[in-house]
Order: sequence, then C-alpha cells, then structure tokens
Amino acid sequence: DTEVTQTPKHLVMGMTNKKSLKCEQHMGHRAMYWYKQKAKKPPELMFVYSYEKLSINESVPSRFSPECPNSSLLNLHLHALQPEDSALYLCASSQDPRNTDTQYFGPGTRLTVL
Amino acid sequence: GQNIDQPTEMTATEGAIVQINCTYQTSGFNGLFWYQQHAGEAPTFLSYNVLDGLEEKGRFSSFLSRSKGYSYLLLKELQMKDSASYLCAVEDAGNMLTFGGGTRLMVKP
Repeated sequence: DTEVTQTPKHLVMGMTNKKSLKCEQHMGHRAMYWYKQKAKKPPELMFVYSYEKLSINESVPSRFSPECPNSSLLNLHLHALQPEDSALYLCASSQDPRNTDTQYFGPGTRLTVL
Repeated sequence: GQNIDQPTEMTATEGAIVQINCTYQTSGFNGLFWYQQHAGEAPTFLSYNVLDGLEEKGRFSSFLSRSKGYSYLLLKELQMKDSASYLCAVEDAGNMLTFGGGTRLMVKP
C-alpha cells in the first residue's frame, strides 16, 4: 500500500461552520504534513507532525487546528474560516522525519468557503 | 531563507525533448526533488538528486549541480499526457521542502 488517502474530496462550508479534513496512510511513515495550495501556486507548508507530535507550525491562523490521533491518521479541524481560505488542502507523508525521504501526497481536499 | 526559480510556462511539441531549469538559493541543502502535477491533482514524485550529476529514469532525467545551485528536468519523447506543471522542491537542513513556483508545460501535437 503506497497510498495517502484524503476525505472528503470536496468540501463547501460557510464561515460559521466547523468541519474536519482527514488524511490516512498505512505505509508506516512517521512524518505527516499539511499543505495549502491556491490555484496556479505551489503548495505551501502549514504543519508537520513528526512521530505524532507537532514539530512545525508555519504561522498558520488558529482557525486551522491539526490533530494526529495516531501514526496513520492526520486531521485538520476547520472553524470560522474566511473565503480566502478556499484552496486545495494536501496531505503528505514521508518515512522518517529525521532523514531526507520522499514525500508522497494525497489527492487533496478542495475546500470552498462561502 | 529559500529562493527557488523556475520558468513560469513552456511549450513543446509531441515527440520532442524539453529541459526545465530550476535555480535555488537555500539555507542548507539536503536534496532536490522534482514533482509532476496535473491540473486539479496532487503532486506526484518524479526524481530526487542529492549528488552532482544526472539521474535517469525512463523518459525523464534530472541533473544537479550543487556548486551552481542549479538543476534541470529533461523530458524526452514528449507525449500529450506530459502536459502538466513541474515543481522543483528543495529540502533544507531541517528536512523541510520548499517548492518553486512550478513550470506549466504545454505539449502540442
């Protein structure tokens, strides 16, 4: 199994809603990442989890709240988002956060905030 | 800080060869990755270079010169399905990836 899965594929939410994005991998990877990608722009790193602990938060607003319940799962909780948060949210994983390992990306969740 | 530059767009003909360049200035270097991203899809891994020289993988090759802060991705025998964005990404000393802006390649018949 060399796949990173993400649900849902598409999400439309209002500014007062609370929703969660989910990411799962069963490759035994110990580093997991959230990226945000706006149209025609490269992915921008948001958070890194290393051995289930948050190791990097790239100054992301608190309306985005990551969670890593176990080594296979990564969630991104969303609350009180703004229309400019509409983007493709990509999850990625790599084998060992201490080494230079290839990051494998999930298909992404396309989020629209109304 | 990180600075990674790639051409914004390129056009090439089916069956031809195209070279996509990437220059970088980064604080620490642990390797350079190339990803392919089709419109509306996630990036997929193409290649990884950490030592100087050429890495060949089928129709795709990637070259690195660390002293010049330069890499290129070479695509041979272009096919229509190669139309995509190609992202250069550099891993820094903290094992974090920074992506370049991407090069949108259009392959024409």
